Amino acid sequence: GAGVSQSPSNKVTEKGKDVELRCDPISGHTALYWYRQSLGQGLEFLIYFQGNSAPDKSGLPSDRFSAERTGGSVSTLTIQRTQQEDSAVYLCASSFTENTEAFFGQGTRLTVV
Amino acid sequence: GDSVTQMEGPVTLSEEAFLTINCTYTATGYPSLFWYVQYPGEGPQLLLKATKADDKGSNKGFEATYRKETTSFHLEKGSVQVSDSAVYFCALSGAVDSSYKLIFGSGTRLLVRP
Repeated sequence: GAGVSQSPSNKVTEKGKDVELRCDPISGHTALYWYRQSLGQGLEFLIYFQGNSAPDKSGLPSDRFSAERTGGSVSTLTIQRTQQEDSAVYLCASSFTENTEAFFGQGTRLTVV
Repeated sequence: GDSVTQMEGPVTLSEEAFLTINCTYTATGYPSLFWYVQYPGEGPQLLLKATKADDKGSNKGFEATYRKETTSFHLEKGSVQVSDSAVYFCALSGAVDSSYKLIFGSGTRLLVRP
């Protein structure tokens, strides 16, 4: 596609359920990032994938959070046993390679009730 | 660890006023520096960047100069428009600690009144 695509755009889930958020990066982009943005707040780094290298998971807030990137393309962010504090917009971005412009998707707004 | 500090907002200006949004960084290596802009309901998008000391990034009338001696990358625009109202994020990438992940500041909301 022409840009970074995220799905779903909105997700409402009950506390304790697991959720999966999907990101389709721009074709050919080797770097992929996940960020979390709480209402009116900044961008909290979660995880970074670069090519076939081991991902930088240093931003994942707890072991309930995990992410994978299959075939160097699509990425899935999984949150297990969701909590109300997980409510936020989850943003995915991709770039052609490291240290180049990152293009962001529209985000997935997650609401845990 | 690497970090970015921005001036707190909101910043409220009248149309055609001069804009400065301060940004300073802490990094152990030689990062690239970026300004991203986020409009309501959208993801951030790149506004400008600079990759080495003394470089000036510019776009759409906005400018920022990479100052290694003061570890700063302040955003400026000579005459703001109502359409510039948005949230502005300073970011860095490529320093030793941050690998190549993008580290963002907390963002500064700009409101321009007609």
